[in-house]
Amino acid sequence: DAKTTQPNSMESNEEEPVHLPCNHSTISGTDYIHWYRQLPSQGPEYVIHGLTSNVNNRMASLAIAEDRKSSTLILHRATLRDAAVYYCIRDGAGSYQLTFGKGTKLSVIP
Amino acid sequence: DAGVTQSPTHLIKTRGQQVTLRCSPKSGHDTVSWYQQALGQGPQFIFQYYEEEERQRGNFPDRFSGHQFPNYSSELNVNALLLGDSALYLCASSLEVRWGTDTQYFGPGTRLTVL
Repeated sequence: DAKTTQPNSMESNEEEPVHLPCNHSTISGTDYIHWYRQLPSQGPEYVIHGLTSNVNNRMASLAIAEDRKSSTLILHRATLRDAAVYYCIRDGAGSYQLTFGKGTKLSVIP
Repeated sequence: DAGVTQSPTHLIKTRGQQVTLRCSPKSGHDTVSWYQQALGQGPQFIFQYYEEEERQRGNFPDRFSGHQFPNYSSELNVNALLLGDSALYLCASSLEVRWGTDTQYFGPGTRLTVL
């Protein structure tokens, strides 16, 4: 049970912003939201994580809804290298594991 | 700074055989987790090792076992291989994963094919 819901696939044009949504309606108050991505033929790589407020790093921004039942990963300018499967993951209380769903496959169109 | 390394890259075995996969964590990391990724699916957690002990285990049978060495490297062993064990096996390392904040760094994986 991944406990998050994401669209199966999305498309974006190169150099345009991309908003990847994630629903986590059963999230508890202390669960973090993590985003990882997996490029073709590679292991997953960390993108960003957050708890309540919006977060920014060099790769992306994470916008978390005020009720924390959803979040959006924002890639400000998509490049061809951003084509990957993006996983939205919420921490489980007392768990050390990352519980992956099927993620969203992002295609970037030149 | 070397990231997570795994060996071998690819492996072909037959049903009933046993296999050992190896993982060296990122420098400075002390915790190793193993994941299985079937084609078209997200990775599934097998277990995590910390201080040479299995700290948490996912929903995998006892045929899957592991070990962590004093230098923090780790092995994943799978006995009595089944066709369904064919998958990409991923190792991830972290620095004492604490609930909520720690980042896991993944290796490139070992592709296991069972014939």
